Amino acid sequence: AQSVSQHNHHVILSEAASLELGCNYSYGGTVNLFWYVQYPGQHLQLLLKYFSGDPLVKGIKGFEAEFIKSKFSFNLRKPSVQWSDTAEYFCAVTYPYNTDKLIFGTGTRLQVFP
Amino acid sequence: EAQVTQNPRYLITVTGKKLTVTCSQNMNHEYMSWYRQDPGLGLRQIYYSMNVEVTDKGDVPEGYKVSRKEKRNFPLILESPSPNQTSLYFCASSLADRPSTDTQYFGPGTRLTVL
Repeated sequence: AQSVSQHNHHVILSEAASLELGCNYSYGGTVNLFWYVQYPGQHLQLLLKYFSGDPLVKGIKGFEAEFIKSKFSFNLRKPSVQWSDTAEYFCAVTYPYNTDKLIFGTGTRLQVFP
Repeated sequence: EAQVTQNPRYLITVTGKKLTVTCSQNMNHEYMSWYRQDPGLGLRQIYYSMNVEVTDKGDVPEGYKVSRKEKRNFPLILESPSPNQTSLYFCASSLADRPSTDTQYFGPGTRLTVL
């Protein structure tokens, strides 16, 4: 079945800590991968996306993600988080056999304390 | 300003009273979609449209209807709302006719409570 897994449901960090949020998908072929962020009271917006090429993708606000095909993963990272990174983060994927649909994970709520 | 707008932003209604949530985009986007967001379940797609007069079911279409008579508008209709449709609803659009290679632009959300 088409799915995206985000195993970290709630992450709590102090400012300056490093962040890694997990994302796993369930297909061995080519996929397109996205990370979206929802800041409190705001719209979802795109952080970064991967279609092909360099598996290390850089996005806005210092975020990056690495596509590791052998692990079916697309983890989101940031070396040093800030209080303003407090938000909910969603991984999403489109599969080549169903490009009409963007499938979201269940989301990870990140809280950063000063 | 390029944007996706939704109305109303908040709505409290009673079981069985038909309602419509409007969605409009001013970016000439082809693809439009409705999602509902529930705690622990993430975003689940309700319906989507790749073009005018073309709509299709997402993962949770039961109890909902949509129409795409004009490119810019994609209303979500609940003919007979029930309490299990209490949720946060998002409309989204993208320039391409499918989301596989394109950024989705989201509206601000509509928080619906069905009593």
